[in-house]
Amino acid sequence: DQQVKQNSPSLSVQEGRISILNCDYTNSMFDYFLWYKKYPAEGPTFLISISSIKDKNEDGRFTVFLNKSAKHLSLHIVPSQPGDSAVYFCAASAYTGNQFYFGTGTSLTVIP
Amino acid sequence: DTGVSQDPRHKITKRGQNVTFRCDPISEHNRLYWYRQTLGQGPEFLTYFQNEAQLEKSRLLSDRFSAERPKGSFSTLEIQRTEQGDSAMYLCASSPRTGVNNEQFFGPGTRLTVL
Repeated sequence: DQQVKQNSPSLSVQEGRISILNCDYTNSMFDYFLWYKKYPAEGPTFLISISSIKDKNEDGRFTVFLNKSAKHLSLHIVPSQPGDSAVYFCAASAYTGNQFYFGTGTSLTVIP
Repeated sequence: DTGVSQDPRHKITKRGQNVTFRCDPISEHNRLYWYRQTLGQGPEFLTYFQNEAQLEKSRLLSDRFSAERPKGSFSTLEIQRTEQGDSAMYLCASSPRTGVNNEQFFGPGTRLTVL
């Protein structure tokens, strides 16, 4: 069963505009959420995280929003740049943080 | 380069053969994880080590799979009697000892193809 879901396999955005990537989860025990970015032939690289005690975390052009009641989080990238083109994975873990559950990824293409 | 390294990067084998992969984590990280990723899916957790102790194993880790981390540093993942369904990218990740919630740093992965 997929406990973390990314329902949009792909997204195209014009350079300079906002990219919004969405993620839903089903397990109410999850309390730590991360976004990873993956380029072809490389492992995922950590982008940004959020704890369940917060509803927003910002790091430069990247902001993650968490809506616990809806079990939904989103990643906003503003402004989007061509170098942001990659596959983005949402991940979640419960208190111990030992096991991360990943979504299936969203492939973002930023068009120059 | 002080990141997570994995060897080999690619492995092609025939069905029924045994394969072994190696992961070298970031040196000060005491936690090490193995994941498997198939096409169109996100990484799926296989197993977790804290130092040399294997503390968690997924149901995905059948008895043909074994992982070790003998001295709490590098780790190996062995697959015995490989099957075509084992074809996947095998990812290793590590994280530091401090705190409860820490991001995991991933290596480049080993792509396994079973013919």
